Amino acid sequence: DVKVTQSSRYLVKRTGEKVFLECVQDMDHENMFWYRQDPGLGLRLIYFSYDVKMKEKGDIPEGYSVSREKKERFSLILESASTNQTSMYLCASSFRTPNTEAFFGQGTRLTVV
Amino acid sequence: AQSVAQPEDQVNVAEGNPLTVKCTYSVSGNPYLFWYVQYPNRGLQFLLKYITGDNLVKGSYGFEAEFNKSQTSFHLKKPSALVSDSALYFCAVRESGGYQKVTFGTGTKLQVIP
Repeated sequence: DVKVTQSSRYLVKRTGEKVFLECVQDMDHENMFWYRQDPGLGLRLIYFSYDVKMKEKGDIPEGYSVSREKKERFSLILESASTNQTSMYLCASSFRTPNTEAFFGQGTRLTVV
Repeated sequence: AQSVAQPEDQVNVAEGNPLTVKCTYSVSGNPYLFWYVQYPNRGLQFLLKYITGDNLVKGSYGFEAEFNKSQTSFHLKKPSALVSDSALYFCAVRESGGYQKVTFGTGTKLQVIP
């Protein structure tokens, strides 16, 4: 079974803190994604990576950065957390071929106070 | 730019009745279409996909979806709903070129009433 593992299920951070969300996949997928999920807005793409050290901005990259030093690991960084970044964060991975589905982690519910 | 619309925020259906969750899409080129399900406080799970060929696609847990090119729709269906089907359902489209970005709809909450 494909596994996408996010380092935390729940996180509470203070405004202004630097926050790291980690994601690891074990299926040798080329693509990895970070989404943010908010009620009524669905899933919005923050960043994605199609190879090691490669990244592309998604629809809402402001206030976020990412790092992909190894193929299996994709990190999302909140440089200075703000209350409007309180949300559910979902990591996903997939093969590069477009007819393949994405596999998701269990999600990290981040609360910024 | 590609897009996905799920026109219903919530769908209520009685247990044992057929269910339909609607999805329409817009994409240039050939569409790759997906349905995912999300249970409370969990990540998304893949249900089924349309790539090419037969317009009726069968997936997990008895779900199926009908691709209609002329109406640019990909509605999710099940002949007989179960209470355990209650969850949040997302339709998604993946572009065939470029970086193959995946775009999701806003989700439809399915409530199956006993």
